[in-house]
Amino acid sequence: EPEVTQTPSHQVTQMGQEVILRCVPISNHLYFYWYRQILGQKVEFLVSFYNNEISEKSEIFDDQFSVERPDGSNFTLKIRSTKLEDSAMYFCASITGTSSMNEQFFGPGTRLTVL
Amino acid sequence: AQSVTQLGSHVSVSEGALVLLRCNYSSSVPPYLFWYVQYPNQGLQLLLKYTSAATLVKGINGFEAEFKKSETSFHLTKPSAHMSDAAEYFCAVSDPGAAGNKLTFGGGTRVLVKP
Repeated sequence: EPEVTQTPSHQVTQMGQEVILRCVPISNHLYFYWYRQILGQKVEFLVSFYNNEISEKSEIFDDQFSVERPDGSNFTLKIRSTKLEDSAMYFCASITGTSSMNEQFFGPGTRLTVL
Repeated sequence: AQSVTQLGSHVSVSEGALVLLRCNYSSSVPPYLFWYVQYPNQGLQLLLKYTSAATLVKGINGFEAEFKKSETSFHLTKPSAHMSDAAEYFCAVSDPGAAGNKLTFGGGTRVLVKP
């Protein structure tokens, strides 16, 4: 069964460093998302991406964040200069089609630890 | 803006007992509603969803949920808990008026099943 994959599973970085989190969505899916979950808190929406551009972004997704689909398969989240408060689990998700009723398929997540 | 409230961050049930997880939403229009489950070290997996068809929705693993518009609720139930149901459960909403719209999650309920 097709699945969303994410690498790495765990990333440790120093404050101020750039990180790139990678996701491979399911191949025929059209909408892609990043969410994050700070330990003990809600899963929060960061950004959605469709047709090679950002469709919607949250207040969290400031100038330090960017997303890219560099080829036909990868979908990346870059944090330019990490802060301690960026430590969280980051989930990638994708849906087939464009309807909001469609199931979002989630990857296993990347745990980012900023020291 | 949409919001989701899950009453009870932790629920403990005995094996074989009823599982009841509460979810209430706030939305200006009837939303699409989802329940996701997260097992340890895994991504979120869809249990079931409501998309304005039948108000009683059956999902995987014996779970079901009932949409009650008058109560703005979408509580999740399972008649008989199994040890394998130990996980964290998230209720989420999506705006049907927007293509590919984001999910807004509740805070999650962690279920512990006692033998």
